[in-house]
Amino acid sequence: EVQLLESGGKLVQPGGSLRLSCVASGFTISNYAMSWLRQAPGKGLEWVSTASGTGGSTFYRDSVKGRFTFYRDNLKNTLYLDMARLRVDDTAVYYCAKQMTGDPPDPFDTWGLGTMVIVS
Amino acid sequence: QSALTQPASVSGSPGQSITISCTGTSGDIGSYDSVSWYQQFPGKAPKLLIYDVTHRPSGVSNRFSASKSGNTASLTITGLQPEDEADFYCTSSTNTDALVLFGGGTRLTV
Repeated sequence: EVQLLESGGKLVQPGGSLRLSCVASGFTISNYAMSWLRQAPGKGLEWVSTASGTGGSTFYRDSVKGRFTFYRDNLKNTLYLDMARLRVDDTAVYYCAKQMTGDPPDPFDTWGLGTMVIVS
Repeated sequence: QSALTQPASVSGSPGQSITISCTGTSGDIGSYDSVSWYQQFPGKAPKLLIYDVTHRPSGVSNRFSASKSGNTASLTITGLQPEDEADFYCTSSTNTDALVLFGGGTRLTV
């Protein structure tokens, strides 16, 4: 069964840093584009970052460029989102998601349960 | 990176049909056949309902269908059931720096 499990979310002060992890099982992450998305409390979904299946290309939304870094450890089948200079408006549930192929714009066909980041 | 526009809420009675619209621009919905729709129950992760405008993943009920015309995509749910109550989000590829745009979400009440 294809599964994703995020961890690492917690309460952090503005300006602080945090690393989120997402362990994948049931498939090999190197074969797929993978993404991080988020949802602020009571708000809609928001795309954050995507890495292509080859890992050769990584994309970020404007508001996190220069602050967030998306890493993939193919040996551990794990994704990471390093978050620095955190702001109050980064507060959200962060989801990792698998895309249908290795092509970055592809739909998100599997989502994790999410991990909560609170910046306060 | 403006969001796509969806109605905040729609409602219908059991057995009825409803349609949720998702309006973008010529730089996103109007240019790409890569519109997707997601269903999200409160406190749960989203689930892919529709991809590439009209395609349903395996296991998704055929009561869910979708289409696109110009800069607007639409999701139709027929034979509404109480368990369809959820939030629905559309997405589209875009020719901007953002890889994908989300709609603001529509709360369906049955």
